[in-house]
Amino acid sequence: QSVLTQPPSVSGAPGQTVTISCTGSSSNIGAGYDVHWYQQLPGTAPKLVIYANTNRPSGVPDRFSASKSGASASLAITGLLAEDEADYYCLSYDGTVRIFGGGTKVTVL
Amino acid sequence: QVQLQESGPGLVKPSQTLSLTCTVSGGRVSSRDSYWTWIRQHPPKGLEWIGYIYHNGDTYFNPSLRSRLTMSVDTSKNEFSLKLTSVTAADTGVYFCARLPLDGSNAFDYWGQGTLVTVSS
Repeated sequence: QSVLTQPPSVSGAPGQTVTISCTGSSSNIGAGYDVHWYQQLPGTAPKLVIYANTNRPSGVPDRFSASKSGASASLAITGLLAEDEADYYCLSYDGTVRIFGGGTKVTVL
Repeated sequence: QVQLQESGPGLVKPSQTLSLTCTVSGGRVSSRDSYWTWIRQHPPKGLEWIGYIYHNGDTYFNPSLRSRLTMSVDTSKNEFSLKLTSVTAADTGVYFCARLPLDGSNAFDYWGQGTLVTVSS
């Protein structure tokens, strides 16, 4: 069981918005450590889509946005496209260890 | 554009040592602006940070693996390596190497494609 909790799956129709939560504790996200988000397509390495809570790397569409509050963070994908179907992981730190969430499968209906 | 490529045996026997190498191109492992990282993924999902190494050999390990783990960097070959001793089936997974830039982003930005390692007799 991961220290960072994510829902196992979320789904939405094309064009809709889905939101993925990442819940930690006072020893990681709540301690002020940054949250990053990764997209992983089947058979590929994770790809960074959000870094340092709210920032998009160059080349990532602005349909991807994220926020952080207290001991939780969330990733939103607006205007959902078929190509967004993937696993998504949050990443943070607890002062000693880099920690990943358990992952969320996004299904485009 | 930094590129990373993992290499090593895909099958390791229980109790033996898992050895992997990551070859870097488009960047230098001797650079002072990056940590070089190993991450693994247990099927079907579970990502786990293993540890990272700096150009001068300083290492930072996941405490859960520290007693079995060694990392090294070879600046002449522009590569870094991982050795994990006394492996069991729980060490089976896809092993990724990645870069952690020291630019304030604090996120692993470039990853290798990953290599599957199976621990089995």
